[in-house]
Amino acid sequence: GDSVTQMEGPVTLSEEAFLTINCTYTATGYPSLFWYVQYPGEGLQLLLKATKADDKGSNKGFEATYRKETTSFHLEKGSVQVSDSAVYFCALGNYGQNFVFGPGTRLSVLP
Amino acid sequence: DAGVIQSPRHEVTEMGQEVTLRCKPISGHDYLFWYRQTMMRGLELLIYFNNNVPIDDSGMPEDRFSAKMPNASFSTLKIQPSEPRDSAVYFCASRGTGEGYEQYFGPGTRLTVT
Repeated sequence: GDSVTQMEGPVTLSEEAFLTINCTYTATGYPSLFWYVQYPGEGLQLLLKATKADDKGSNKGFEATYRKETTSFHLEKGSVQVSDSAVYFCALGNYGQNFVFGPGTRLSVLP
Repeated sequence: DAGVIQSPRHEVTEMGQEVTLRCKPISGHDYLFWYRQTMMRGLELLIYFNNNVPIDDSGMPEDRFSAKMPNASFSTLKIQPSEPRDSAVYFCASRGTGEGYEQYFGPGTRLTVT
C-alpha cells in the first residue's frame, strides 16, 4: 500500500533560519500530497497541498513542490518564526486507498 | 463554516466507565474519520464512514470500541469499558467528495482514564 516517510525530529532552529523538512512517498497512480501542521493542544490543520507532478503548494511562507521523479514533497520556509513551532505531518491521498500520514516532525524555533 | 466540532474537549474518567465522544462534521461532507493520537503510536485511523455507513473499521482496537453515525451531521465513538491505555487525544475529521482528498480536523478530545 501507499506510504509516507518523513525526517525524524525534533528539529530546532533559531528564528529567521531556513527550514527544510524532508518527505518522500511510495504510491501507485496519481496521489495528492499534503502538509498538515499541529500547534500545541490543537487539531491538525491543512497547511498546503499539491495534486499533480510539478505543482507547488504554498501558504504562510511555506512551500513544497510535488516531485514525481524523486517521489518527494519537501517542506521549506525561508525564515522561520517562533510561532512556527509545531508538529508537521506529510500526508498522501490516493484513489481507493486510505489517507496516509507520516509520523510527524516536531519543530522548535528559538528566539 | 464552523468547522468540525467535537465534544467534550477534555474527559477524565475512571477505569471501567463508559465514555462517549461526539463529532459534528462540516456540513455537506460525506466522509467522516475517527483518529487516535498518542506519543507512542502517533496518529492512528480507527474507523471511517461514507454517507453514514462504516467503510473500514480495521483500526478499531477491540470490541470495547464502537462508532456510530446515525445521520450526516453527527457521529459518536464509544468506549465501554474504558481502560487507562485508552488515554489519548481522539480526533474527528471530515471530507467532501469532489473536493479532493484533504481532510479537515476537529480540535480533538483529550481522554484521560485513571
